[in-house]
Amino acid sequence: AQTVTQSQPEMSVQEAETVTLSCTYDTSESDYYLFWYKQPPSRQMILVIRQEAYKQQNATENRFSVNFQKAAKSFSLKISDSQLGDAAMYFCAYRRSEGNNDMRFGAGTRLTVKP
Amino acid sequence: DGGITQSPKYLFRKEGQNVTLSCEQNLNHDAMYWYRQDPGQGLRLIYYSQIVNDFQKGDIAEGYSVSREKKESFPLTVTSAQKNPTAFYLCASRNDRVWNGYTFGSGTRLTVV
Repeated sequence: AQTVTQSQPEMSVQEAETVTLSCTYDTSESDYYLFWYKQPPSRQMILVIRQEAYKQQNATENRFSVNFQKAAKSFSLKISDSQLGDAAMYFCAYRRSEGNNDMRFGAGTRLTVKP
Repeated sequence: DGGITQSPKYLFRKEGQNVTLSCEQNLNHDAMYWYRQDPGQGLRLIYYSQIVNDFQKGDIAEGYSVSREKKESFPLTVTSAQKNPTAFYLCASRNDRVWNGYTFGSGTRLTVV
């Protein structure tokens, strides 16, 4: 079974600074998708960014970017110019492209942004 | 606007009672999912359904049941057999025709009293 590991239960960053959240995963598949979700205090899950495993180019969405290292099975999220609204739980997730393709989530990283 | 509606937002259950959590979507999505969220454990899959009248157990299905009689609806029943039901429950859906993440509902907080 695929597993997703987020080794940082909590992180903090100063407003306007950059922070990187770590995620590793275990799979024997070659084709899959990776996601980062944000869960603010409202508990609504919001898709931040996604990456297709067959693409070598790292995905970018405004201030959010990923460092996807397929061989190392690593998928870190970088938040640049951190804002107070970035404070939330962040979940890394994995989904196979074929077969039973339910999504597997890591345990989450709680990000605090200090003014 | 299209989306997923979960109700109720908060639910209290007495021990020994069955309760049903509602999940309705108007996105015309084929696949629907139920996850349970506990502190420090992320989201764990309870049940999922890829088409109407078909569903599969996830990792923690014991003590739960579901039905998928309509494409739009995927209710979750928490039975008295679930020994520790207090948790936050999230419903999600996905369109099989395009690769994508899930669209999530706003969740139901279930508390056993």
